[in-house]
Amino acid sequence: QPQLQESGSGLVKSSETLSLTCAVSGGSIGSGGFSWSWIRQPPGRGLEWIGDIYQSGTTYYTPSLKSRVTISVDRSKKQFSLRLTSVTAADTAVYYCARVGGYHGVDAFDVWGQGTRVTVSS
Amino acid sequence: DIQMTQSPSSLSASVGDRVTITCRASQSISSYLNWYQQKPGKAPKLLIYAASNLHSGVPSSFSGSGSGTDFTLTISSLQPEDFASYYCQQSYSTTRTFGQGTKVEIK
Repeated sequence: QPQLQESGSGLVKSSETLSLTCAVSGGSIGSGGFSWSWIRQPPGRGLEWIGDIYQSGTTYYTPSLKSRVTISVDRSKKQFSLRLTSVTAADTAVYYCARVGGYHGVDAFDVWGQGTRVTVSS
Repeated sequence: DIQMTQSPSSLSASVGDRVTITCRASQSISSYLNWYQQKPGKAPKLLIYAASNLHSGVPSSFSGSGSGTDFTLTISSLQPEDFASYYCQQSYSTTRTFGQGTKVEIK
């Protein structure tokens, strides 16, 4: 079972860009048919899926963030990244990276990072 | 977007109780439904995939059922370590969505 670890700035100013990286250890990022995902959780609230990147490089994003978000992968560094532009206070959340595994043909988030808290300040 | 609606939003129960949480999709999602458990300050963990299959290491006191639009997560006998929040999530669409969560608290 691989381990995932998020890193990046914990404090971002309003209107600037949030950048996070998820390092994958104990497993390959470029094989096995897995895709990779970012999910966030605002304080005291539920989980919000942000987007996925597939092994092909194809990305899918939640519609509400699509114009501001980019997910990319660097296989040589065994990491994938999240970039969210023009942040506001509404983007304050714990951000999780996760692996997407296929189970009986159904994709599920089966390995998670511990999460990293990002606060947007004015 | 496929909307996922869980009920109840929270519940209070005692150790040993049978607990049922429901999840409804805004359109048919076949069996493309997963359940997660999240404890305070921790990342979620996969409990059940494809509506009714227990993930590795998950106690048999957990079970899932349903297909189409209506799904159920059942805990047959609530244990102290089961007090947590539970989320359903659909993978029918390439744009994934979670339910709003159900918090299971100690009565």
